[in-house]
Amino acid sequence: DVKVTQSSRYLVKRTGEKVFLECVQDMDHENMFWYRQDPGLGLRLIYFSYDVKMKEKGDIPEGYSVSREKKERFSLILESASTNQTSMYLCASSSRKPLYAGSGGNIQYFGAGTRLSVL
Amino acid sequence: KQEVTQIPAALSVPEGENLVLNCSFTDSAIYNLQWFRQDPGKGLTSLLLIQSSQREQTSGRLNASLDKSSGRSTLYIAASQPGDSATYLCAVSMEYGNKLVFGAGTILRVKS
Repeated sequence: DVKVTQSSRYLVKRTGEKVFLECVQDMDHENMFWYRQDPGLGLRLIYFSYDVKMKEKGDIPEGYSVSREKKERFSLILESASTNQTSMYLCASSSRKPLYAGSGGNIQYFGAGTRLSVL
Repeated sequence: KQEVTQIPAALSVPEGENLVLNCSFTDSAIYNLQWFRQDPGKGLTSLLLIQSSQREQTSGRLNASLDKSSGRSTLYIAASQPGDSATYLCAVSMEYGNKLVFGAGTILRVKS
């Protein structure tokens, strides 16, 4: 079974703090993603990565950065946390292999989420 | 810009009923469409993925159909059970790179 592990389920931080959210996957997936989920707004893509040391901005990258030094790990960084970054953060990974019977390719697998509160 | 809409926003049904959840998207040039389930306070679990060249996919009591030309997908749940209660999310990928655009979800409650 694919496993995507987010380091914390709940985090409480102060405004201005630097916050690190960690995500690790164990299926050798090339693609990794960070989303945030807010009531009424759904899931929105923050950043994604196709390979080690590669990153691309999603729809709402402002106030965030990412790091992918190893294939299995993708970190989301809030440089200076603000109250409007209070949200549920979800990490996902997927394979770049084409989908064929039994390959599981293209399916995105999600972690359990980190609920971040910035006070 | 791709937009994904899910109707209804919430649905409450008695146990045993068959039901249909709807998803529509504005740009038909999708690569694939994925249905997810999310339990309260949890992450997403992939239910079904339909490639753009496919018309439907089935898994157990779940059947998802895709009409790419009209920009619509449906998720059919047969013989609903209280354990099916969750939020169901539809998402489309516009390219092989697999970036997903999500709908807001349908909150399903199955009453015993």
